[in-house]
Amino acid sequence: TQLLEQSPQFLSIQEGENLTVYCNSSSVFSSLQWYRQEPGEGPVLLVTVVTGGEVKKLKRLTFQFGDARKDSSLHITAAQPGDTGLYLCAGGANNNDMRFGAGTRLTVKP
Amino acid sequence: EAGVAQSPRYKIIEKRQSVAFWCNPISGHATLYWYQQILGQGPKLLIQFQNNGVVDDSQLPKDRFSAERLKGVDSTLKIQPAKLEDSAVYLCASSPLRSGELFFGEGSRLTVL
Repeated sequence: TQLLEQSPQFLSIQEGENLTVYCNSSSVFSSLQWYRQEPGEGPVLLVTVVTGGEVKKLKRLTFQFGDARKDSSLHITAAQPGDTGLYLCAGGANNNDMRFGAGTRLTVKP
Repeated sequence: EAGVAQSPRYKIIEKRQSVAFWCNPISGHATLYWYQQILGQGPKLLIQFQNNGVVDDSQLPKDRFSAERLKGVDSTLKIQPAKLEDSAVYLCASSPLRSGELFFGEGSRLTVL
């Protein structure tokens, strides 16, 4: 069973600050995904990374996949209240069997 | 494009009763997943279908949970009898074949009293 550990579990920051959240595992993944989930809704896919060392940018969000494909980070620049939510990473082998971490709950205060 | 549809959105039952959740995936998506998300935790995979065949049900408590995907489209997840610890949001997701990118429904929130 692949175990994904996310840190920190909770993060509360002021609008305009930068932050990084992490997703770590002892397993190698063929792909790793990041999702954001808001209360009362299902998770929404933000990005998929597949190549070790890969960096993807989505506006103010930067995603990095570790060289060994075991870990990933999500960096948010100049956080806004609209970034508030639960950030989940999910990893799988051969694009199957996607398993999720417990998530980082981010609150951005105006 | 219509998203993943789930019903009911909310359900409250007494322990030992039964409950069923329904999911209609995005049209053309071959793979369908059921996840259980307990408050404060990430989604836990219960079962994965590809078309109407089961790919992975290793974490499905088969003594009380069952799922089927007739004709490779809609799916139903049933719990019988329910326990207090089954209180959770049950999320259905679908993805195109071999894509691995999951599209989730809004979930069905179950409360077992």
